[in-house]
Amino acid sequence: GAVVSQHPSWVICKSGTSVKIECRSLDFQATTMFWYRQFPKQSLMLMATSNEGSKATYEQGVEKDKFLINHASLTLSTLTVTSAHPEDSSFYICSGPTSGAGEQFFGPGTRLTVL
Amino acid sequence: SQQGEEDPQALSIQEGENATMNCSYKTSINNLQWYRQNSGRGLVHLILIRSNEREKHSGRLRVTLDTSKKSSSLLITASRAADTASYFCATDGNQFYFGTGTSLTVIP
Repeated sequence: GAVVSQHPSWVICKSGTSVKIECRSLDFQATTMFWYRQFPKQSLMLMATSNEGSKATYEQGVEKDKFLINHASLTLSTLTVTSAHPEDSSFYICSGPTSGAGEQFFGPGTRLTVL
Repeated sequence: SQQGEEDPQALSIQEGENATMNCSYKTSINNLQWYRQNSGRGLVHLILIRSNEREKHSGRLRVTLDTSKKSSSLLITASRAADTASYFCATDGNQFYFGTGTSLTVIP
């Protein structure tokens, strides 16, 4: 299947700092990518849909000014957690759909720990 | 929300037994997908079933879909300890939403 990579895989930061997470589609072009958040022992929650060349679409309850999404190219979407706080500590996963079949392929995830 | 709901939330079986997990969803879908997630790791796509399909097989996996009941089931036959993981169903609709997951433990 299609390959999606994320960087970094694990990041620890101090409260108040900003963290950028990259999501790359390695063997396909994606006009749309998705960002999810998963708290321990919980399911993935869709945060936002990243649209290449235009603004991201955020799910209800997700602060767009806190979770900045940039989809500058067909192979790269970035999620920046601004002014991170301990409650932002979570597992962040991105995905990109493949054409036609409707499948989504997920990155390996980024574990964010905010101290 | 179009989020699916899996049941049971947790399932513990002996190696060699079959494991069945169910998923219900709320709105119409184009397809439904099952994913597996090992603890603290990313998601692995298992199988996709389209809304016009009723059953699909892949190796030891069997998925059924009943669109009239808005439900799907995932059967893992002859389970192995390595199948221990969380299993999620996800529906697309207009967006891609995950169920709450079933935590499967296969005891060697």
